[in-house]
Amino acid sequence: GESVGLHLPTLSVQEGDNSIINCAYSNSASDYFIWYKQESGKGPQFIIDIRSNMDKRQGQRVTVLLNKTVKHLSLQIAATQPGDSAVYFCAEISMDSSYKLIFGSGTRLLVRP
Amino acid sequence: GAGVSQSPSNKVTEKGKDVELRCDPISGHTALYWYRQSLGQGLEFLIYFQGNSAPDKSGLPSDRFSAERTGGSVSTLTIQRTQQEDSAVYLCASSRILNTEAFFGQGTRLTVV
Repeated sequence: GESVGLHLPTLSVQEGDNSIINCAYSNSASDYFIWYKQESGKGPQFIIDIRSNMDKRQGQRVTVLLNKTVKHLSLQIAATQPGDSAVYFCAEISMDSSYKLIFGSGTRLLVRP
Repeated sequence: GAGVSQSPSNKVTEKGKDVELRCDPISGHTALYWYRQSLGQGLEFLIYFQGNSAPDKSGLPSDRFSAERTGGSVSTLTIQRTQQEDSAVYLCASSRILNTEAFFGQGTRLTVV
């Protein structure tokens, strides 16, 4: 099976600062992307999504940016809070992968008080 | 319930025994995904269903793994002759249709002793 995220990089930020979590995806045909947050012992939680016909989408305190030229996705969290500490995963779907949802390598976000 | 429900939440089994993991998707969701997550790692795609059909079984690790979905709703993942390396959290997700946001259950933690 496909597996990702063998070693999770860690991003440490000060409470109140902005966080930027990056994800490189491999399939240029991917047309839908999702960011998930996973807290310890829980299933991934949907945060925000974006389709390939957009390059930016904003939610509450979160913004996702998509750069199709370099196959890069980022999640920006404004005014990071202790409750934001978790592992963050990007996921992609493409028609040529039969629409299965494939996860990228995760990033652990640690928020310092 | 309103979310994806998985049962049991924890399962300890002896090596060589068969186990069945159950997933109740969100009502009306046609797509259903199974993933495996080993400790501290990313999400490994196993299989997904569109309705009762499984277009992509490529992620199943071996022929000891099988899954079915009946009535376009509940899905069961069966692992026969369990091995210690099968120990992991098995996560299920559902989405209204393919290529839309998928919502996860809390997972089943399987421990093979």
